[in-house]
Amino acid sequence: EAGVAQSPRYKIIEKRQSVAFWCNPISGHATLYWYQQILGQGPKLLIQFQNNGVVDDSQLPKDRFSAERLKGVDSTLKIQPAKLEDSAVYLCASSPRLRGAYNEQFFGPGTRLTVL
Amino acid sequence: AQKVTQAQTEISVVEKEDVTLDCVYETRDTTYYLFWYKQPPSGELVFLIRRNSFDEQNEISGRYSWNFQKSTSSFNFTITASQVVDSAVYFCALKGYTGGGNKLTFGTGTQLKVEL
Repeated sequence: EAGVAQSPRYKIIEKRQSVAFWCNPISGHATLYWYQQILGQGPKLLIQFQNNGVVDDSQLPKDRFSAERLKGVDSTLKIQPAKLEDSAVYLCASSPRLRGAYNEQFFGPGTRLTVL
Repeated sequence: AQKVTQAQTEISVVEKEDVTLDCVYETRDTTYYLFWYKQPPSGELVFLIRRNSFDEQNEISGRYSWNFQKSTSSFNFTITASQVVDSAVYFCALKGYTGGGNKLTFGTGTQLKVEL
């Protein structure tokens, strides 16, 4: 079974530029998550989708970050304009369903963003 | 609010030594789940174990063991006879069950270095 795919793996941009990340979850997984992991910290949830609907985006900086999952499969996360403090690894994860006793999240390899 | 504390930022051991990674959590939920993830240099988070709040039995899986103590809100992870391949960042995470969803709260991680 293929895992969660993310691209690009690395991205370097100047501040105030825009950037987009792509995630393809495990086939059949209804729930998709985007996390931000700043160096030396644990991942922090940015947004959570159930199919193509948003479940939780309380920690998403909506003035500059946006995300969509139009067909309930792939997802893109965009930053516009980027700031220096956005430098981080952006992790995508998926799980089979939203709730449940054993609802493990499967993580992709992440996209490492450097903002200069 | 949920919180996970991993007080050990970095641990260095010599191969074959035993090592324990500490995790202390805070939650108001009566039902919750605790997780450990491994993050090797490749960046992908690898699921290791899940434990629910009603199951305080310790668990052993090969060289790995976990000690869940609800009385002290701790969920510690021990690697027996450590190997170089165990070198990674290890994250403890908590998921509350109240209100649904599947939001994981991560600790800041413990960097484990196993040297020859």
